[in-house]
Amino acid sequence: DQQVKQNSPSLSVQEGRISILNCDYTNSMFDYFLWYKKYPAEGPTFLISISSIKDKNEDGRFTVFLNKSAKHLSLHIVPSQPGDSAVYFCAAIHAGGTSYGKLTFGQGTILTVHP
Amino acid sequence: EAGVAQSPRYKIIEKRQSVAFWCNPISGHATLYWYQQILGQGPKLLIQFQNNGVVDDSQLPKDRFSAERLKGVDSTLKIQPAKLEDSAVYLCASSFEWLGPSPLHFGNGTRLTVT
Repeated sequence: DQQVKQNSPSLSVQEGRISILNCDYTNSMFDYFLWYKKYPAEGPTFLISISSIKDKNEDGRFTVFLNKSAKHLSLHIVPSQPGDSAVYFCAAIHAGGTSYGKLTFGQGTILTVHP
Repeated sequence: EAGVAQSPRYKIIEKRQSVAFWCNPISGHATLYWYQQILGQGPKLLIQFQNNGVVDDSQLPKDRFSAERLKGVDSTLKIQPAKLEDSAVYLCASSFEWLGPSPLHFGNGTRLTVT
């Protein structure tokens, strides 16, 4: 039962353009969402998060949008840089539950930014 | 601050053998997690510790996997006996907060290959 889905296994973007990574979830109890970035042979690193009481959160070149009615969130990277090339994971938590660390991850999207 | 330390980085064993992984979390982080990441999938939580107590081990295959966190700091994850499907990257993560969403800090993982 895949509760968090990233339906695009890969995305290729030109440097300077916008990258949009998408994520869908099915569990309506999820109320906190995170994006992680992962380089080869390294662990995932936290990028940005959003609470379900918001619909947008911005941090520099990274913006996360949340559409609760559609159970959909997206990560926008503007402008994209070659160093952004990595695997991006969407993750979700039911923060009101008993286990704050029980992140449910999507399958990941490989982003490639071409110079 | 020093990150989450894991060892070894790589391990190759034959099926039915045993293996152990070690993790040292970020200093002061009370919560420690072990995740399993199979190729092409997102990380899946195996077990979560709060100090030296287990908070969630619902997805840990307890017939072959065991984990401990003596003294509430370092942790070891053991597999005995290993199966082919245990081939994966085992990620350790830690976080500071318990009573609220807090980004997890991941180590670089141990890549296990079972032949």
